[in-house]
Amino acid sequence: GAVVSQHPSRVICKSGTSVKIECRSLDFQATTMFWYRQFPKQSLMLMATSNEGSKATYEQGVEKDKFLINHASLTLSTLTVTSAHPEDSSFYICSAPKASTSQETQYFGPGTRLLVL
Amino acid sequence: DAKTTQPNSMESNEEEPVHLPCNHSTISGTDYIHWYRQLPSQGPEYVIHGLTSNVNNRMASLAIAEDRKSSTLILHRATLRDAAVYYCILYSQGAQKLVFGQGTRLTINP
Repeated sequence: GAVVSQHPSRVICKSGTSVKIECRSLDFQATTMFWYRQFPKQSLMLMATSNEGSKATYEQGVEKDKFLINHASLTLSTLTVTSAHPEDSSFYICSAPKASTSQETQYFGPGTRLLVL
Repeated sequence: DAKTTQPNSMESNEEEPVHLPCNHSTISGTDYIHWYRQLPSQGPEYVIHGLTSNVNNRMASLAIAEDRKSSTLILHRATLRDAAVYYCILYSQGAQKLVFGQGTRLTINP
């Protein structure tokens, strides 16, 4: 069964509004979670690393003030797309490592499809 | 980030083996080779990973070249449900993150 969930699965919003996406680890704790964005027919692009109890680490070129990340607990990270615009329409995916070993494998959520009108 | 090179697409027939190649000539000694796959409109799922030795699990096998500059994911008997984009990724202990390349889109013909 799924070990990482996302909510909502899809959302449609008006331009200028903010949208919050939740990522939960279901049966394990995750001090670190990752957020990706994927445009149609493209690969996943890592946006940021969400760290429980500290600030997120953003990849180069990702606006931290636009994509707010909060790692509220060991099982929950949220991504808020602020003042969304049509170009933010994308498939947003989170992941979390389940085992804290050097060979970490990631468990991915099912994704959230965002459409900004 | 160490890069990988994969063919854009491959095609195979149902119930036949599939060999998906990946080149990673700049791999460092501590990088693990991970494979994930992504079915349409879903998040990626873990397939297999290895360091130096070949690996087998219930989903696939991973054959790693002796010089570690290339690897091959082997699906022993493809089914229609194996149609997906397969990503070969080098996992660095230092970076501790997965950086996806373009992957190989695998089509399975009935």
